[in-house]
Amino acid sequence: AQTVTQSQPEMSVQEAETVTLSCTYDTSESDYYLFWYKQPPSRQMILVIRQEAYKQQNATENRFSVNFQKAAKSFSLKISDSQLGDAAMYFCAYRPPTTSGTYKYIFGTGTRLKVLA
Amino acid sequence: DVKVTQSSRYLVKRTGEKVFLECVQDMDHENMFWYRQDPGLGLRLIYFSYDVKMKEKGDIPEGYSVSREKKERFSLILESASTNQTSMYLCASTPGTALANVLTFGAGSRLTVL
Repeated sequence: AQTVTQSQPEMSVQEAETVTLSCTYDTSESDYYLFWYKQPPSRQMILVIRQEAYKQQNATENRFSVNFQKAAKSFSLKISDSQLGDAAMYFCAYRPPTTSGTYKYIFGTGTRLKVLA
Repeated sequence: DVKVTQSSRYLVKRTGEKVFLECVQDMDHENMFWYRQDPGLGLRLIYFSYDVKMKEKGDIPEGYSVSREKKERFSLILESASTNQTSMYLCASTPGTALANVLTFGAGSRLTVL
């Protein structure tokens, strides 16, 4: 069964510094998608960034980038120049291929990021 | 600009009550999902629907049922609420079957069962 593991329940970062959130996953598939979602306090969960498994190039969205290591099944999120608005719960998610016969997205347990002024 | 709307942000119910959580999306999405979010457990899938009147069990369907009579609406039903169903419930939707599809979430419904 596919699993997603976020081993850091909580992280802190100083404003303007860089922080990396870890995510590992387990799958026997070769074609899939990985996502990082952000859930600010009492607000809606939104997409931060996504990565196609067949692409070797790491995805980047402004201050957010990923380090995708397919062989190691690792998908970490790097936040550069951290801002107070980055404080949130971050979830890593895996989406199996449709050929697997499922539409299920599998989420990790989340990492709470605190940004210190 | 709200695209996935959950009718209730906060609910307080009594044990044994029947509870309806409603979710409506205005994006014409085929797939809709109900997740339960608990601290330390992340998001766990309760049910999902890939078409009108079609549904599949997720990882924790016990104690829940769903209804999807119209494409835009996906309801989660707790037939007889219990205290262990106190949680945050998140509805989400995606279009079609493409791998790239991003989940669009509602704001969540926090249910307390006394």
